[in-house]
Parts: sequence; C-alpha cells; structure tokens
Amino acid sequence: GENVEQHPSTLSVQEGDSAVIKCTYSDSASNYFPWYKQELGKRPQLIIDIRSNVGEKKDQRIAVTLNKTAKHFSLHITETQPEDSAVYFCAASNSNYQLIWGAGTKLIIKP
Amino acid sequence: DAGVIQSPRHEVTEMGQEVTLRCKPISGHNSLFWYRQTMMRGLELLIYFNNNVPIDDSGMPEDRFSAKMPNASFSTLKIQPSEPRDSAVYFCASSLEEGYEQYFGPGTRLTVT
Repeated sequence: GENVEQHPSTLSVQEGDSAVIKCTYSDSASNYFPWYKQELGKRPQLIIDIRSNVGEKKDQRIAVTLNKTAKHFSLHITETQPEDSAVYFCAASNSNYQLIWGAGTKLIIKP
Repeated sequence: DAGVIQSPRHEVTEMGQEVTLRCKPISGHNSLFWYRQTMMRGLELLIYFNNNVPIDDSGMPEDRFSAKMPNASFSTLKIQPSEPRDSAVYFCASSLEEGYEQYFGPGTRLTVT
C-alpha cells in the first residue's frame, strides 16, 4: 500500500550546524509534499511544501528538495537554532488527495 | 480568521462513556480531516470529508467511532463506548481544497480511565 518512510527518527545536531531529514514515498501519483513542524504539546504547522513540478524550494534557512525519479524528498535546515528543536513530519499526497504521513523525526539542537 | 477551532481541549472520561469531540474548520475551507496522534502509532488519519461528504473513513478504528459533518462549519467525532486505548490527542484539520495545505486545530487531549 501507500507509505512514506522518514529517516532518521531522531537527529541531534550542534547549534549552528545543518540538519537534513529524508523521506521516501511509494505512490508515483504523489504530487504534493509538505513538511510540518510540531513543537511539544502543540499542533503540527506547515513550514514548507513543494509540488512535483519543482525540484527545489527555499525559504530563508529551510529548503526542500524533491527527486521524483527516485521518489524521495528531503528537508534541509541550515544554521540551526534552539527554536528549531521539534518533531518534523513529512507527507506525500495520494491519488485521493489525502496526505500519507511519515513517522516523524525528533530534532534536537545542542547548545 | 480564528483558525480551526476544537472543543473541548481536554477530556477525561471513564471507560464506557460516550465522548463527543467538536471541530469548526476555517471558513471557506472545503476539506476537513480528523486525525489521532499517539506515541506508538504516530499521526493517523481517521476520516476525511470534502464538501461535507465523507470521502474515506477507512482509518476509523472500529464501529465505536463515528463522525458527522452536518454543515460546512461544524463536524463531530464521537466515540461510544470509549475505552482506555482511545486515549490520544485528536486533531481536526481543514484545507481550502483537496491536495492543499492542511491547517490543524489545537487538538483535544482525550484520557479514558
């Protein structure tokens, strides 16, 4: 069935360094790939998204890359800061416009 | 706009009781989603409405769960009877159209004892 695999499950980086989270998806019809950030006790919130007609999108310190041939997409956070600590979820749309979610990555920024 | 509104924010109930969670989507949004989040199972889609019509309820765990959307501005998720394993955070989300960004409500933390 449709699934999205997300790695790693936990990522610890030094403040100021970069963080990369990777996802792979199985449904070749997927055309929308959002990334959500969920802080402890809060709701998931969209931080960046990309559609299948674009290979890369950037917004200040965050960027997402998409490789449709390989069916994988990645989130890149540069110059990490303490407030980047959270759980990050990737998702991919299916042919029914639902989002198939990854299991999440807990990002820890070490001071 | 106030965003997606959910009530109650916290609910503690005893096993066997009926629980009703409520959601008001963002005005003008056509799609509404109910999710359940637990540490063990992550974020699970329970049911999805488009233009008030249930499109996919394959994620609803069992017959104890039911959801309705009587109009474009209100939806309920009901659990009857509730069980301890239903304890989770339940999120409602809405989107302008299918395949677009989903905006999440603050969630309802349900504890069934």
